[in-house]
Amino acid sequence: GQQVMQIPQYQHVQEGEDFTTYCNSSTTLSNIQWYKQRPGGHPVFLIQLVKSGEVKKQKRLTFQFGEAKKNSSLHITATQTTDVGTYFCAGISNFGNEKLTFGTGTRLTIIP
Amino acid sequence: DTGVSQNPRHKITKRGQNVTFRCDPISEHNRLYWYRQTLGQGPEFLTYFQNEAQLEKSRLLSDRFSAERPKGSFSTLEIQRTEQGDSAMYLCASRVGTGGWDEQFFGPGTRLTVL
Repeated sequence: GQQVMQIPQYQHVQEGEDFTTYCNSSTTLSNIQWYKQRPGGHPVFLIQLVKSGEVKKQKRLTFQFGEAKKNSSLHITATQTTDVGTYFCAGISNFGNEKLTFGTGTRLTIIP
Repeated sequence: DTGVSQNPRHKITKRGQNVTFRCDPISEHNRLYWYRQTLGQGPEFLTYFQNEAQLEKSRLLSDRFSAERPKGSFSTLEIQRTEQGDSAMYLCASRVGTGGWDEQFFGPGTRLTVL
C-alpha cells in the first residue's frame, strides 16, 4: 500500500532559525496537503498543492511539490514560538480517491 | 460554534465493552471521514461517507467496528468488544466535497482508553 514518510521525525531549533520538513511518497500523488497539529490539538489544514513543481507561500511558510509529484517540503523562515507543533503531509494517490494518507509527521520544538 | 464537534471527548472503558462515538460535521459538508491516531503517528484513514452512503472502508476497520451516518448529517462510530489495542484518538473530519479535493476540517477527537 501507499506509504508517506517524513523526515526528520523531530526538530529542535532556536527561535529565529529556519526549519524544513521533507515528505516522500512511495507512489505518485495527484495532490498533497499539509496540516499542523498543536500539542493536544487536532490537525488544522494549511495548504494543498496540485501541480507538478508547484510552490506556494503563506507568510513565513513555503511549500513545494516535486516535479515527479512524489515528494514535497515545507520550509519555515525565522521560526517563532507559535510555530511549535507537528507538521503532517497527506497525499491523495489518484484523482477521485477519497483516502488521504498522512505522513509520519515532523515534531517541531522551539528553543526560546 | 460552526466547526466539527465530537462527543464524548474522552472515554475510558474496560476491555470487552462496547463504545460509541458521535461526530457532528459542519452542516453543509457532504463528505465525512473517520481517522484513528495513536501517539506519535499521523492520522490513519478508517472510513468515509458521502452523504449517508459509506463508500470506503480501510482494512484497519475490523468487523468489530461499524460506522453509520443516517440522514447524511451526524455520524456514529461503534467499537464492539473493545481491546487494549483500540486505545487511540478517534478523529472525525468533514469537507464540502464538490469539485475535487478541498480543505478537510477536523473535530477535536475522542480519546479512547481501554483498560
